[in-house]
Amino acid sequence: AQSVTQPDIHITVSEGASLELRCNYSYGATPYLFWYVQSPGQGLQLLLKYFSGDTLVQGIKGFEAEFKRSQSSFNLRKPSVHWSDAAEYFCAVGARAAGNKLTFGGGTRVLVKP
Amino acid sequence: DTEVTQTPKHLVMGMTNKKSLKCEQHMGHRAMYWYKQKAKKPPELMFVYSYEKLSINESVPSRFSPECPNSSLLNLHLHALQPEDSALYLCASSLDGTSGYNEQFFGPGTRLTVL
Repeated sequence: AQSVTQPDIHITVSEGASLELRCNYSYGATPYLFWYVQSPGQGLQLLLKYFSGDTLVQGIKGFEAEFKRSQSSFNLRKPSVHWSDAAEYFCAVGARAAGNKLTFGGGTRVLVKP
Repeated sequence: DTEVTQTPKHLVMGMTNKKSLKCEQHMGHRAMYWYKQKAKKPPELMFVYSYEKLSINESVPSRFSPECPNSSLLNLHLHALQPEDSALYLCASSLDGTSGYNEQFFGPGTRLTVL
């Protein structure tokens, strides 16, 4: 069965500074990987996804993520954080064998200091 | 139209009430999902409908009853809920329910409070 770990529960970053959120997954085959963002009381919005090909993936809102098979990681990065980036971020892995079931990590809450 | 809509936004119900949550999408997606999300936790999958047939039930108690009347609509019927069922209920849809790589589009959720 697949699993996802997000080691950081909270991250505080200053506005304008860079941000990196860690994600480690466990899955036997090639994973389908996603990053979602959730603002308080809202639904989830897809930031980016990885299925195959180029291991550096560009997403919306200036985010990018890099797939590293050797490290079973899919870390999310943003070069310069804006106050509006304060939210909860979820990494997720999908598996065809599981009928498109998404397994989410525990989430990382990002706080942005002015 | 790239939205998943959910109604109502908020719902307060007693333990003896019967209520329903509604989800709608007009993206031509053939898979729809119900998730439950408690505060400060990730969403937990409850049900998956693929081509209007229930394909996954994650051992959800029978007081939650899903229904997919057509490919655009998904309902969640609630009966005799417990206070611990209070949560944000999220609906999602994807192009299909078998590929694994189709991203899921989420609605804004229904905030349910059971008294």
